[in-house]
This record gives sequence, structure tokens and C-alpha cells, in this order.
Amino acid sequence: DIQMTQSPSSLSASVGDRVTITCQASQDISNYLNWYQQKPGKAPKLLIYDASNLETGVPSRFSGSGSGTDFTFTISSLQPEDIATYYCQQYDNLALTFGGGTKVEIK
Amino acid sequence: EVQLVESGGVVVQPGGSLRLSCAASGFTFDDYAMHWVRQAPGKGLEWVSLISWDGGSTYYADSVKGRFTISRDNSKNSLYLQMNSLRAEDTALYYCAKDVKRGYSYEGYFDYWGQGTLVTVSS
Repeated sequence: DIQMTQSPSSLSASVGDRVTITCQASQDISNYLNWYQQKPGKAPKLLIYDASNLETGVPSRFSGSGSGTDFTFTISSLQPEDIATYYCQQYDNLALTFGGGTKVEIK
Repeated sequence: EVQLVESGGVVVQPGGSLRLSCAASGFTFDDYAMHWVRQAPGKGLEWVSLISWDGGSTYYADSVKGRFTISRDNSKNSLYLQMNSLRAEDTALYYCAKDVKRGYSYEGYFDYWGQGTLVTVSS
């Protein structure tokens, strides 16, 4: 199976800060990479698909980039409502796998 | 509005069996592949299984292969997960999730999720 290594596992930032999360695949997955947001007690929500495409209705402060094995997820200006855990997920093959998650908190 | 409502989660003893259900509404159910994804308490997400639109193709994570069976009844807009030989490590919140791709194929990611049903495996 493809292993997805996500870092950091947690971070604390101030409102308005730029936040960056990375995800590394154990092998080349082209751009078959998505990002989800999960707020406490809620189901995950798709934010970014195909590494860099913003899902309809998702604020433009969220963005993604990368291809191959290295990917980045960015919140350009952290808002209080962005407190959540973020997961990357690969779909290069049907042994679908997620990263371990990054918990984002407000400083 | 797309809705996915899971049910069937209970406390079960190790080695026991359980069947989860997911009732779907708000979209043409038999146009889409469906998935089960689970989350152990305080842990991350783990994909469990995928079924094609017609039930003709199924895929499983290695951790559940041979013990879990995914199925669907398109006449009832329902998805199922039969879980046998349950282990403590199967304890989790089980989500059903809709694949993004419409038609006779699947992408392997999810645009709608239910709220989950909790399975606890404990003696």
C-alpha cells in the first residue's frame, strides 16, 4: 500500500497567519491527492481534489499544490472557523490511504 | 440534498458479527460507487471498502479482507457492511461515503459522508 506521511501532526497559529501542511507519498501518485477538513464531532469534508482544485463552495484561502510524491496544503489567512484536523488522501490505486492528520489550533 | 444515514453500530464481543446499513437519499443512488471509511476513537481515517454502482466490483483494505463484505440494494437505496470475526482493533466510527464520479466507474474519493455509526468490540 502507498504510505502517506503528513506533517506536522499538530500546529498552533494566530488568526491571520499563513498555515502550511505537507504530505509525502511513498511512491509517485501523480496528482491523485485530496485534502479533507474534519471538525470535532463531524464527518470529513472535501476541500481540495486532484492536488490543487478547490471544491465548489470552499473559501479561496484554502489551496493545494504538488505532484508526484510531495504535496502542500495552505491556508493563506487562518480563521477561527478553520480549527479542525486536516487529512490528505491518495487515490492512485484502490488501496486508498490517508495521511495521519494535522490538528490545527488557534494560538 | 444528499443524505447518508448509517445505522447498526453496537457493542459486540470479539469474534462476533454485525451488519451496518447506510440509507441514501437526495441523489440517484445506483449512479455511484459507495465506500465505507472508519475512524478509531481519537485516531485518523482508514478506508475500508468500495463497491461499484451495480455491486459487481468490490475492494477491501487488507485489514478487513476475508472478514468484511460490502453489498448494496439499489432498489432500497441502501449500502451494507457485513462484519464477521470482529476484533478489538475494529472498534471505530464507521462512515459511509459517496464516490465523486457518476457512472460505471469510480474515482476513489468522497464528496458526501454520513455522520457515522459506532462499533465497539469488547468483552
